[in-house]
Amino acid sequence: DTGVSQNPRHKITKRGQNVTFRCDPISEHNRLYWYRQTLGQGPEFLTYFQNEAQLEKSRLLSDRFSAERPKGSFSTLEIQRTEQGDSAMYLCASSLSRQLGETQYFGPGTRLLVL
Amino acid sequence: GEDVEQSLFLSVREGDSSVINCTYTDSSSTYLYWYKQEPGAGLQLLTYIFSNMDMKQDQRLTVLLNKKDKHLSLRIADTQTGDSAIYFCAEIPNSGYSTLTFGKGTMLLVSP
Repeated sequence: DTGVSQNPRHKITKRGQNVTFRCDPISEHNRLYWYRQTLGQGPEFLTYFQNEAQLEKSRLLSDRFSAERPKGSFSTLEIQRTEQGDSAMYLCASSLSRQLGETQYFGPGTRLLVL
Repeated sequence: GEDVEQSLFLSVREGDSSVINCTYTDSSSTYLYWYKQEPGAGLQLLTYIFSNMDMKQDQRLTVLLNKKDKHLSLRIADTQTGDSAIYFCAEIPNSGYSTLTFGKGTMLLVSP
């Protein structure tokens, strides 16, 4: 069990560019979550997968955002035509359904800066 | 709206106890959590409590739950400088999916 990993850890991009982040959950965790955290705030839910199915998307997830989990293992989060307001820490978490506590374990995050 | 409320800042001296308070929103939340975040890092799960419990103790951590008032607290005994971080209270509202709703976090500063 190596924990949740995320790549890259940091990304600087220019406004209008596309970016893609990757999350590798804890092996055998069937649930995967994306959250966004801005300075001085707690994480806010973006989207959630159970296996490969995307079951819920937040109102925060505009049309420029897309997430996939094609084989029910790793996930990618893509932001198209980035805006300065997209600058934030993007956190991934995973959990195992029916595990006591439904505990979500977080990765280190990808910090995005849009110039 | 759904807001988990926390005090923003707490300062204590090393060796004292720290108590971080949280008010959550959904009385039917099954689990309530405390996470710790150090600067520039992800969130580390500290502990959680099931809603049918009043108290849970885990080494230096004690969680108290008052369901009637929807109040959750985290007590850290013998606080150390390494405990300096932001602490987040979180719930999973009974909205059908297991997504966490977080407070804004309490910054704990421990001075020597």
